[in-house]
Order: sequence, then structure tokens, then C-alpha cells
Amino acid sequence: EPEVTQTPSHQVTQMGQEVILRCVPISNHLYFYWYRQILGQKVEFLVSFYNNEISEKSEIFDDQFSVERPDGSNFTLKIRSTKLEDSAMYFCASGVGTDNQPQHFGDGTRLSIL
Amino acid sequence: GNSVTQMEGPVTLSEEAFLTINCTYTATGYPSLFWYVQYPGEGLQLLLKATKADDKGSNKGFEATYRKETTSFHLEKGSVQVSDSAVYFCAFISNFGNEKLTFGTGTRLTIIP
Repeated sequence: EPEVTQTPSHQVTQMGQEVILRCVPISNHLYFYWYRQILGQKVEFLVSFYNNEISEKSEIFDDQFSVERPDGSNFTLKIRSTKLEDSAMYFCASGVGTDNQPQHFGDGTRLSIL
Repeated sequence: GNSVTQMEGPVTLSEEAFLTINCTYTATGYPSLFWYVQYPGEGLQLLLKATKADDKGSNKGFEATYRKETTSFHLEKGSVQVSDSAVYFCAFISNFGNEKLTFGTGTRLTIIP
């Protein structure tokens, strides 16, 4: 069964540094998402992406965040200047965009900001 | 605003016990409802779904019925196994075209032999 793959599985970064989290969505999916889960808290929506542009973003997704689909297969989340509070598990998801076909999630990247 | 209220955990049960994890939602329109499961060290996997009122989603012995009148989608299983130990998330998509998932806080379930 096709999977969403995320790399790296764990990223440790100094505060203030830029970080890029990478995702390869399922190949025939058109909608792409990033969510995050701070330790012990619920999974929160960050951003959705369709047709090479952001379709929706949450208030968490401020100017420090950006997304890109650079080559038709990868989908990346960049945090320009990381803060301690960015430490979380980041999940990529992809879907076909209909509500009876659910989103498929990767295993996540654990981001630790020191 | 849109939200999911989910039974607080952790929940600890003996093997073969009956499981209920309560979930209620607040959403505009006619949401599609989901239960996702997160096994230790893994990502989120879809467990089951229901897309309209009175639909029952089922998978791996788990069931949940979409109750529009009570805005609920409680997860049940008649006889749990140790392998069911995981975190369970209730979630919804509010309507077609607004495709983001809104999640509950998750319920950690531990099954002891």
C-alpha cells in the first residue's frame, strides 16, 4: 500500500537556525498538509496546499513558516528561525481532497529545538 | 468554533474488556467523522470513518456510529486485546472544500494481559 514518507525521523536544531522537514506524499494525491503535535497535546493543523499554493493556514503558521513543492514529488516545511516552542512532532499528510477519502499520514518528524 | 471533545485518558483495561471512548464534536455544516490511531513510535493511521448521519464505521472490531442528534461519534470495541494499546484520536473534516482535520486531544489506551 502506498505510504507517505517523512525525513528525517528526528531533527535536533539550535534555536534560531533554519530547518527543513521533508515529505514525499502518495503519488496520485493532490492535497497536502502539515500538522504538528506538541508533546502530550493534540494534533494541530498548520497548513494545506493544493495546486501549488496554500489553500488554508492556521494562526500557528506565521511568517516563520513556509511550504514548497519544489519538484513534483517532495513537499517541504521550512521554519526560518526556530524557537524553543517549535519543538514538536510534525506530520505530513496527503489526500485526494474528498471527505469520504481520508488523509494519509506519515510517521512524523520529531523536531527538538535546543 | 469547530472543536472535538474527547474522553480524557489514560484508560487502562484488562484484556477482553469492553471499550468505550467518548467523542463529541462542534462543527458547521455536515462533517465527516474519523477515528485515527497512533501506535507507539508510529504515525497516525485511519481506524474508521463515517461520512453521514447514522453511518457506522467499523474496522478491526472497533465501531463508531455517527449520531447527529447528539453530535457524537463514540468508539467501541467488544473485547480489547493487548495489541490495541495505542493513542486514539477523534477527528472531523467540517465539509467538502474545507479539508483540514480537526482533532481531539487523544486518549491513551493501555490493555493489560
